[in-house]
Amino acid sequence: GAVVSQHPSRVICKSGTSVKIECRSLDFQATTMFWYRQFPKQSLMLMATSNEGSKATYEQGVEKDKFLINHASLTLSTLTVTSAHPEDSSFYICSARESGQGYQPQHFGDGTRLSIL
Amino acid sequence: AQRVTQPEKLLSVFKGAPVELKCNYSYSGSPELFWYVQYSRQRLQLLLRHISRESIKGFTADLNKGETSFHLKKPFAQEEDSAMYYCALSRKGGNKLVFGAGTILRVKS
Repeated sequence: GAVVSQHPSRVICKSGTSVKIECRSLDFQATTMFWYRQFPKQSLMLMATSNEGSKATYEQGVEKDKFLINHASLTLSTLTVTSAHPEDSSFYICSARESGQGYQPQHFGDGTRLSIL
Repeated sequence: AQRVTQPEKLLSVFKGAPVELKCNYSYSGSPELFWYVQYSRQRLQLLLRHISRESIKGFTADLNKGETSFHLKKPFAQEEDSAMYYCALSRKGGNKLVFGAGTILRVKS
């Protein structure tokens, strides 16, 4: 089955640090990848849609300069949290949709728990 | 605005009892509805979508446009059904998913 690998699974770092999270589709090509954020006991909130070779589309209220997304290949998208602060601490999850005709489900990564001290 | 409501944070049933996980939605157009499941220590995965009208692991869900609901049902719960269940919607043919808050299902022996 389609597997999405997300790395790292956990990050703890100091305030002001920039953190990069990788999302890879291991056995399929993904034209579109998605980045979600999940606060404790709350639902997944879509942050942005990442399209290979073009700029990401950000949801309302998400700072594009804060959350930099790069989707340089059909198997890799990265999310960089720039100058992270404690309020950025959260669980970040990526998903990837396989390229192709017809309906293609989103396949999810395991998520990255980001803790900013 | 698009919204998915799952009123129950936790649903606890005995093995063999019927299960109904509630989901209501708000959407102005023609939505596509999904149920996702996350078992303990596993990643989120698609359980079923309304358009395919299939039964997966004994679960079914019918889209009721009049009541704007997409409740997930299973006649006889099994212990392995214990998991977090998320209801989600997207625009028909669209990319973006809007998730509900999720319901934890606990099946007791």
